[in-house]
Amino acid sequence: DGGITQSPKYLFRKEGQNVTLSCEQNLNHDAMYWYRQDPGQGLRLIYYSQIVNDFQKGDIAEGYSVSREKKESFPLTVTSAQKNPTAFYLCASSPRDSTGDEQYFGPGTRLTVT
Amino acid sequence: DAKTTQPTSMDCAEGRAANLPCNHSTISGNEYVYWYRQIHSQGPQYIIHGLKNNETNEMASLIITEDRKSSTLILPHATLRDTAVYYCIVRDHPGIQGAQKLVFGQGTRLTINP
Repeated sequence: DGGITQSPKYLFRKEGQNVTLSCEQNLNHDAMYWYRQDPGQGLRLIYYSQIVNDFQKGDIAEGYSVSREKKESFPLTVTSAQKNPTAFYLCASSPRDSTGDEQYFGPGTRLTVT
Repeated sequence: DAKTTQPTSMDCAEGRAANLPCNHSTISGNEYVYWYRQIHSQGPQYIIHGLKNNETNEMASLIITEDRKSSTLILPHATLRDTAVYYCIVRDHPGIQGAQKLVFGQGTRLTINP
């Protein structure tokens, strides 16, 4: 089945540790995105990538890093510099043609840092 | 991107039509109206989008006023599984411009009651 997978669903880390969240898609989409969601809030964009080996900062990129070495994969690293890393992290992808680009979201990873 | 205003919460009886309003009075001529929904602890799901004509798909109908300053998402026969937060988003259609972020507000929390 085509879709977006994120793993793991729940992740626990100690403060001061870097952690990498996985996002894989087999939809052949060019664009991929990382969002963060805090309780009761909407989504906020962290990073996005339009093509392989290219990515741009979103609204809240500080303390995060990404890579896009393959079309299918867009991992997000939450570094120790991120002051409030506990959140629900959502990955999405979209095609880049002119007929529409609705974004398809993965199931999310809930990160808890203590 | 234009700002949207939605009611914080709504209730609807199972089997009835759910009508979710959205105000976007500052929408510009090339901005589309998108609707997504998010069921608790899952990634958002695309529902429908439109520019100025009414649109219908297997999930919902989108009615956009003639002046485009507001729209209504209609779920024709709501079921318990339609309980979710519904987000109305206005943005440029990306086309050749490529990937663009979605700006999620706080949405409308729709509860379908048995």
